[in-house]
Amino acid sequence: AQKVTQAQTEISVVEKEDVTLDCVYETRDTTYYLFWYKQPPSGELVFLIRRNSFDEQNEISGRYSWNFQKSTSSFNFTITASQVVDSAVYFCALSDAIDKPGRRALTFGSGTRLQVQP
Amino acid sequence: KAGVTQTPRYLIKTRGQQVTLSCSPISGHRSVSWYQQTPGQGLQFLFEYFSETQRNKGNFPGRFSGRQFSNSRSEMNVSTLELGDSALYLCASSLEQAVRTDTQYFGPGTRLTVL
Repeated sequence: AQKVTQAQTEISVVEKEDVTLDCVYETRDTTYYLFWYKQPPSGELVFLIRRNSFDEQNEISGRYSWNFQKSTSSFNFTITASQVVDSAVYFCALSDAIDKPGRRALTFGSGTRLQVQP
Repeated sequence: KAGVTQTPRYLIKTRGQQVTLSCSPISGHRSVSWYQQTPGQGLQFLFEYFSETQRNKGNFPGRFSGRQFSNSRSEMNVSTLELGDSALYLCASSLEQAVRTDTQYFGPGTRLTVL
């Protein structure tokens, strides 16, 4: 069975601090996809990034960066120079490969609430 | 392109009633998935529809059902509502090309309160 663990329930930082959100996953499949979503107070889940299991390159997008390590089954998310607008709940999610019938459902972690204080 | 839209945004019902939620996917997207989000259970997969057929179903009782229309719009129905059905119901759509897992894009959700 798939499982995603986000051990950090809540993190509070002061603006301009760097913050890393941890994500550890479990799956028996060799092909899978990992995602990060942001959920602001409005409730909508906003897509941030998708990674497939064959691509271990780290990615940077502006102040956001992601570190994918298959050896430790982790897909961590770092926000550099955090801002108040980054305050939200962040979810890590796992999906199996599309060629497995009925396996496209996302398995979510419990989320990490990030509060950025001014 | 317009995003995923869900109606209504808020709903209050009483126990025993039934409710229908609606979701319009991003134009061109063929797959629609539904998720339930509660403080206790987090985000849980309900079901997925593609070409008017349910392709996948999560571990929810038969009171939860859905359908998809030929224009890819989807509805989900909950019958005989229970207090525990109070949740944010999120709809997501994806393109679903043949050979890869596509990203699911979410709507703003429908917040259902059961009294």
